[in-house]
Amino acid sequence: KQEVTQIPAALSVPEGENLVLNCSFTDSAIYNLQWFRQDPGKGLTSLLLIQSSQREQTSGRLNASLDKSSGRSTLYIAASQPGDSATYLCAGLYGGSQGNLIFGKGTKLSVKP
Amino acid sequence: KAGVTQTPRYLIKTRGQQVTLSCSPISGHRSVSWYQQTPGQGLQFLFEYFSETQRNKGNFPGRFSGRQFSNSRSEMNVSTLELGDSALYLCASSTAGTAGNTIYFGEGSWLTVV
Repeated sequence: KQEVTQIPAALSVPEGENLVLNCSFTDSAIYNLQWFRQDPGKGLTSLLLIQSSQREQTSGRLNASLDKSSGRSTLYIAASQPGDSATYLCAGLYGGSQGNLIFGKGTKLSVKP
Repeated sequence: KAGVTQTPRYLIKTRGQQVTLSCSPISGHRSVSWYQQTPGQGLQFLFEYFSETQRNKGNFPGRFSGRQFSNSRSEMNVSTLELGDSALYLCASSTAGTAGNTIYFGEGSWLTVV
């Protein structure tokens, strides 16, 4: 069974700290790995998409890596800000279409001023 | 460019009733997928449509159904509502629904079943 796990479930850090969010998946036959952000009561915002052939992707202060052999992905956030407070979800795409996105349950990040 | 639009945003229904939720994808996007989000189960895939055809379906009972119209707009229907159907229902769209496409989510429809 394909499963995606995110640890920890919640994380609190002081403003300015660099941090890493972890995501692990059980099935390495993954097409891509996506990181999303969800603010309370809102939908999901796509942050980064890493294809299975890629090792990492960067966007601004965010960097995501993918290691298929170990079944792990990390999201690195540099110089965290209070506006980064949200729940971060990772999702693995299995099969050729978007319909097979398997989500982790997310890490709720709180950045304290 | 308008994002994914879901209506209604909030609704309350009684057990046994049925509900229809609507999703308008981003212009030009032909793939629409639906997800259910609950605190206990997280995000779970319901189904995906591409060019009016259901391409994938998750592990939900037959009470959950959907369709897609020729303009790519999609609807999902839940019949004989149960308390456990209370959730945030999210719609997402992408250009072709393939591995290289970024997926865009709407704000969701909050369904409460009482």
